[in-house]
Formats: sequence, structure tokens, C-alpha cells
Amino acid sequence: GENVEQHPSTLSVQEGDSAVIKCTYSDSASNYFPWYKQELGKRPQLIIDIRSNVGEKKDQRIAVTLNKTAKHFSLHITETQPEDSAVYFCAASIDYKLSFGAGTTVTVRA
Amino acid sequence: EPEVTQTPSHQVTQMGQEVILRCVPISNHLYFYWYRQILGQKVEFLVSFYNNEISEKSEIFDDQFSVERPDGSNFTLKIRSTKLEDSAMYFCASSVFESQNGYTFGSGTRLTVV
Repeated sequence: GENVEQHPSTLSVQEGDSAVIKCTYSDSASNYFPWYKQELGKRPQLIIDIRSNVGEKKDQRIAVTLNKTAKHFSLHITETQPEDSAVYFCAASIDYKLSFGAGTTVTVRA
Repeated sequence: EPEVTQTPSHQVTQMGQEVILRCVPISNHLYFYWYRQILGQKVEFLVSFYNNEISEKSEIFDDQFSVERPDGSNFTLKIRSTKLEDSAMYFCASSVFESQNGYTFGSGTRLTVV
């Protein structure tokens, strides 16, 4: 089955700096890559996603890049704010099943 | 914005007891899922359900687990004889199509087996 690796497991950044989280996947058939933000005790919330026919997608301060050849994708958060502090999960999908990475705990220092 | 609702929010049960977790998916969604998240770990796929049958299930989803959509609105996950290691957050999700448009997760049920 699909195996998604996510790095780093923790990330501490100064407010205003950028944060980058990287994921790799194993199954070249995966064609949909969402990113979720999860605050403590709450549900994962979709923040951005990308499909395999697109290399990059941006939504305000958040961007995702996909390299299909290398089978990796990344989340970029610019101008980080304290409310960006959360656990971020990447996922890869074939059909309807999501395989999640292990998560990155992002802490934004004021 | 439509939401997936789950009840109860927290369930404590004794080992060996049966539990039923309930979910009400978004009304026009056709695909339904259960995921679980053990504390501090990643979200894991359990099962997907479409057209009143299981589409796919993971290794975790053994004979102790079952799902059904008894009345066309609720979507339930039953654990027949709970074990300590079943303690986790269980998330229901639904989507209009297969996951290509992203899931909407419910707020989760925290199951504690004692």
C-alpha cells in the first residue's frame, strides 16, 4: 500500500518567518495530495490540496508544490502567525483512501 | 457550511463491551469513511463505504468492526468487543465523489476503553 513519510516531525519558527514541511510517497499511482491542519483535540481541516496534473498551487500565505518524478510534495507557509501553530498532516490518495503522514507539529514563536 | 456530525463526542467503555459510534454525513454525499487516530499518532484509514457496501477496508478493520447505514442518514461504526488498544479518536468523513475533492471530517468521537 501507499507509504507517506513526513519531515520534520517538529518545527519551530519565529513569527513572520516561513515554514516548510516535506512529504514523500511511495505509490506512483497516487494522484491527489491534500494537506490538513489539526489543532489540539479538533478534527483535521483541509487547508490546501493539489492534484497530480498540477505542479504548484497557492492560496494566500500557503502554497503546495508537487514533484511527481521524485514523488515528493511540500507545504510552504509564509509570514507565519501564532495561529498557524498546529499539527499539519500531508496525505496521498489513490481513489478514495487517504494515507496520512505522521504529522508535523509547528510552533510559531511570537 | 454543511458539517459531518458525530455522536457521542466522548465514550468510555469497559474492555469487552460493544460500542456504536454514530455519524451523520453531509446530505448529498455518497462516500463515507471511518478513520482513527491514536493519541499523538497519525490518522489511519479504517473503511470506506459506498452504495450500501464496504468499498475498501484496512488491516485494522478486522472482524470486530462493522459499519452500516441503517436509515439512509446515519452511518455507524460498531466495535463488537472493545480492547484497550481500540482507545483512539474516531473520525467519520464523507465526500460527494471519491476523495479527489477532499474529505469533510466530523469532529470525532474520543473512545476510551478501560
